[in-house]
Amino acid sequence: EAEVAQSPRYKITEKSQAVAFWCDPISGHATLYWYRQILGQGPELLVQFQDESVVDDSQLPKDRFSAERLKGVDSTLKIQPAELGDSAMYLCASSLGLAAILGETQYFGPGTRLLVL
Amino acid sequence: GESVGLHLPTLSVQEGDNSIINCAYSNSASDYFIWYKQESGKGPQFIIDIRSNMDKRQGQRVTVLLNKTVKHLSLQIAATQPGDSAVYFCAENMREYGNKLVFGAGTILRVKS
Repeated sequence: EAEVAQSPRYKITEKSQAVAFWCDPISGHATLYWYRQILGQGPELLVQFQDESVVDDSQLPKDRFSAERLKGVDSTLKIQPAELGDSAMYLCASSLGLAAILGETQYFGPGTRLLVL
Repeated sequence: GESVGLHLPTLSVQEGDNSIINCAYSNSASDYFIWYKQESGKGPQFIIDIRSNMDKRQGQRVTVLLNKTVKHLSLQIAATQPGDSAVYFCAENMREYGNKLVFGAGTILRVKS
C-alpha cells in the first residue's frame, strides 16, 4: 500500500538552530500539505502545494518558516531559527489534487516530532 | 458509551461495546467530512468520509452519521476492540477557504479489556 514518507521521525535541536523536514507524497498525488500538530490538538495547515506551486501559505510564519516543492514531487519544510514554541509534530499529507473541485481525502505520513531545547 | 462532543475529550468503553464519538462542526457550507484515527506517535489514519448529500455511510465496523440541520457528525464503532484505542478527529472541508480541511480538537477513545 502506498504511503507518505517523512524524515526524520524525531528531531531534537536547540533554539536558534535551523531544522529541515522532508516529505515524499504518495506517487501521483498532485497536492501536498504540511501541518503542525501541537500535543492534544488537531493538525493545523501550514502550507499547501498544488504540484510545485504554493496555493495556501496563509498560516505559515514566513519570518522563520519556508517550504518548497521544486519539482512538484517531494517537499522540504525548514525552520530558521527554531524557537521553543516550535516544538510539535510536523505532518505531511497528500491527495490526488482534485480539491479545487471537491473536497478529497488527505493521506498522512507518520510525522516528524520536533523538540526545541 | 457516548461522548457529548469535544467538551469531553475522553471516552472509555468496555471491549465489545459500541462506541459513539461526536463532533460539532462550524460551517454550514462545509460539504465533505472525514474521520481520522491517530495512534500515539503516528500520523492520522483515514477511517471514513461522507459528503453533504448523504446522511449516513457505513464501512467495516464503522458508521458515520451527518446531521446538517444541527451541524453534527458522529462516528459509531461496532464491537469496539483494544486496537481501536486512539484519538479520533473529525475534519470538515471548507469550500470558501479553498477546500481547506479544518480539524476538530479530537476525542480520546480508551477501550477497557
